[in-house]
Amino acid sequence: RKEVEQDPGPFNVPEGATVAFNCTYSNSASQSFFWYRQDCRKEPKLLMSVYSSGNEDGRFTAQLNRASQYISLLIRDSKLSDSATYLCVVNDYGGSQGNLIFGKGTKLSVKP
Amino acid sequence: NAGVTQTPKFRVLKTGQSMTLLCAQDMNHEYMYWYRQDPGMGLRLIHYSVGEGTTAKGEVPDGYNVSRLKKQNFLLGLESAAPSQTSVYFCASTLVGDEQYFGPGTRLTVT
Repeated sequence: RKEVEQDPGPFNVPEGATVAFNCTYSNSASQSFFWYRQDCRKEPKLLMSVYSSGNEDGRFTAQLNRASQYISLLIRDSKLSDSATYLCVVNDYGGSQGNLIFGKGTKLSVKP
Repeated sequence: NAGVTQTPKFRVLKTGQSMTLLCAQDMNHEYMYWYRQDPGMGLRLIHYSVGEGTTAKGEVPDGYNVSRLKKQNFLLGLESAAPSQTSVYFCASTLVGDEQYFGPGTRLTVT
């Protein structure tokens, strides 16, 4: 079974901290990579796509290492509103087109 | 533009009862998916559809059936509910097979 493995968490950090999440995936043929955010009792929502060159969106930076099959998400200057579960997601290339494989998520709790 | 909607939001069933969950999207997406999410298990794909009139099995299809008679709708049926089907069910859709947009979920309890 193709897997996406994430840090188990939970991560409890103070406001303003920098926190990093890691993820590894087993399907070396995967072509698309994402981080989703899921708030408690809500649906997952796309936070950002992850590109080979790395990409940044405000306080969030995502990195991809294809050789190691490793994805990371860095959050700088954490806010209370960043508290959520972060899902690492990889497409099931070689399987059925369009299917995504979701990690189990890492819970982040930002404290005042 | 409502995005992806799901009905009902909550449901309690008794073992052996049947029900249908409805997912609707107004984004003209080709691909639609049904997932279940259980504590400690993450999102698991039940069934999916790559277009109107087509369906396929995902990772955990047993005990569920689906239909995609119209492009905008994807129905998930439970013919004879079991307590193991207590879960949160999410529907999702995508246009080209990458970013998926999720509905708000259906919380189902089977007693």
